[in-house]
Amino acid sequence: QVQLVQSGAEVREPGASVRLSCKASQYTFTDFYIHWVRQAPGQGLEWMAMINPAGGSTSYTREFQGRLTVTRDTSTTTVYMELSSLKSDDTAVYYCARGRLPSAVTKSSWFDPWGQGTLLTVSS
Amino acid sequence: DIQMTQSPSTLSASVGDRITITCRASQSVSIWLAWYQQKPGKAPKLLIYKASSLETGVPSRFSGGGSGTEFTLTINSLQPDDFATYYCQQCKTYSPLSFGQGTRVEIK
Repeated sequence: QVQLVQSGAEVREPGASVRLSCKASQYTFTDFYIHWVRQAPGQGLEWMAMINPAGGSTSYTREFQGRLTVTRDTSTTTVYMELSSLKSDDTAVYYCARGRLPSAVTKSSWFDPWGQGTLLTVSS
Repeated sequence: DIQMTQSPSTLSASVGDRITITCRASQSVSIWLAWYQQKPGKAPKLLIYKASSLETGVPSRFSGGGSGTEFTLTINSLQPDDFATYYCQQCKTYSPLSFGQGTRVEIK
């Protein structure tokens, strides 16, 4: 079945950077957008960014522009999210999720499936 | 940006109850709305898409309705497995693909 497997938990100090990964399998990687969503402890879901794995085009929410970079490697069907200038407020679980509708149909879609999540802790 | 507002934030209910959660969009999203269920420590699970389409494998006691700016998620005959947090998401426009703040369904 379609699956997204994320990298393991990370701990960083404030000011550092982190790169998280999301490996996709069991479908044509370049046919569907991958999204990043984060959830701070006890809080709701916050959409961060999306990437079209076919051409690598991206869209970021304003809050993260300038310190968030999403890339992909088509040879390994993996999407990466790099967040820089980390703050304690960036402590959260980060999820990747696949758009359900093909990217050729729409950029906007509901998400399914989701990765299992990666906990990022930012602390000195 | 489209803002999504859910109500209530917390809902106390008993097994067997029928409950309804409301989601309002700051502008029309037509039927481009999804509902997710999330349990502690788990990723969200898709329940409903395009406002009223039931995801495969989701029990029929879940139903979605509405269009434009007002939507509902109804659970008929609440089961122990349904106690969780529920989120709506607009899928009309990206950047951002915004979520509601969540509704926690707890045992009365």
